[in-house]
Amino acid sequence: QVQLVQSGAEVRKPGSSVKVSCQASGGTFRNYPINWVRQAPGQGLEWMGAIIPVFDTTNYNYAQKFQGRVTISTDESTNMAYMELSGLRSEDTAIYYCARESKVTTTFDYWGQGTLVTVSS
Amino acid sequence: QSVLTQPPSVSAAPGQKVTISCSGSSSNIGNNYVSWYQQLPGTAPKLLIYDNDQRPSGIPDRFSGSKSGTSATLAITGLQTGDEADYYCGTWDGSLSDYVVFGGGTKLTVL
Repeated sequence: QVQLVQSGAEVRKPGSSVKVSCQASGGTFRNYPINWVRQAPGQGLEWMGAIIPVFDTTNYNYAQKFQGRVTISTDESTNMAYMELSGLRSEDTAIYYCARESKVTTTFDYWGQGTLVTVSS
Repeated sequence: QSVLTQPPSVSAAPGQKVTISCSGSSSNIGNNYVSWYQQLPGTAPKLLIYDNDQRPSGIPDRFSGSKSGTSATLAITGLQTGDEADYYCGTWDGSLSDYVVFGGGTKLTVL
């Protein structure tokens, strides 16, 4: 059974950056698109972006809202995925989830447990 | 403001049936598969329905999905108190750079 295990809660000051990790156990990230979704307190789900392996290359797709501030990466040797968000502001306080996209169809079949990022001065 | 529109809340008694709607457009629901996710309080979202009407293994057949045109519906029969959760629809959108879109979520209360 695939499990996605994310890094622990983070507290950052406005203007700084945060890097959240997501490790697959019981499975692999190899050749799977990995997406990142966030949820502000009491709010709904907001898609941030994805890293998409395509044959021998990698594509990236970021939500317009986060263009220039978010970087998604993977390290297949350690089965880790990362999401780095820079220029943090108080509105970025949220739970950040990684989600594996199914190879068979367009859905998010496995989710990490979430990482709370708090941005406060 | 979410791209997909869901009612903020629905409620029903145990044992009853409830439906949750998700309305979109031709660029998203109209031309793509819809998924539904269940988020129990304090937990991560969990896949409930994919490809409009398919259940992953382990999801009871009390949960069903359907799609017609630019709208999708999640139905839950035989409601249980354990079904109290937030439910989100999601799909892909061909017109936006944000190629994954979600509904705003619907809070289900089992009275």
